[in-house]
Amino acid sequence: EADIYQTPRYLVIGTGKKITLECSQTMGHDKMYWYQQDPGMELHLIHYSYGVNSTEKGDLSSESTVSRIRTEHFPLTLESARPSHTSQYLCASSDLGGSSYNEQFFGPGTRLTVL
Amino acid sequence: AQSVTQPDIHITVSEGASLELRCNYSYGATPYLFWYVQSPGQGLQLLLKYFSGDTLVQGIKGFEAEFKRSQSSFNLRKPSVHWSDAAEYFCAVAPSGGSYIPTFGRGTSLIVHP
Repeated sequence: EADIYQTPRYLVIGTGKKITLECSQTMGHDKMYWYQQDPGMELHLIHYSYGVNSTEKGDLSSESTVSRIRTEHFPLTLESARPSHTSQYLCASSDLGGSSYNEQFFGPGTRLTVL
Repeated sequence: AQSVTQPDIHITVSEGASLELRCNYSYGATPYLFWYVQSPGQGLQLLLKYFSGDTLVQGIKGFEAEFKRSQSSFNLRKPSVHWSDAAEYFCAVAPSGGSYIPTFGRGTSLIVHP
């Protein structure tokens, strides 16, 4: 079944730890995205990718990094977690086809709490 | 750059009542417009989208939205709300060229009373 997965769903971690949030999709989509979501706020794009070996920063400054070594996998890494990183992180993917926008498919999110 | 305003943070309706969620956008040309729904603990799901053509678009779960260029609006409507519609609703606008990456509004939380 074609889908988009995020692990872990919930993570509580101490300050200074290195963490990686996983995102995988089985739809063969070229474009993938990471959003940060806080209650009552817009979804903020923090990273996106057009395909393998392509990564771009979004409109929200983030201390995280991403990689795209395989089409289906788009992990996000925080080298040293801080309480200000506490948030929900949503991964999404879409097709790159043609000249028109294609629907984004979202994963269930990872809720990160940094103590 | 485009922007989206959802003026209502919370909307409370009774089950069976009609619903309208407001969305206003700012963009220099005709944008691509979307409504997404997010249930608790879940990601976003696309309800409907407008690219061109008929300004009244039908979506899933009985929702519809109308694009009004003169008002820069794309309001979401449903004639009769069900308790299961309680969720967070996000309006988004994407440029009709370039990266096509959408900008999302802050969301409107829908509360449904029995």
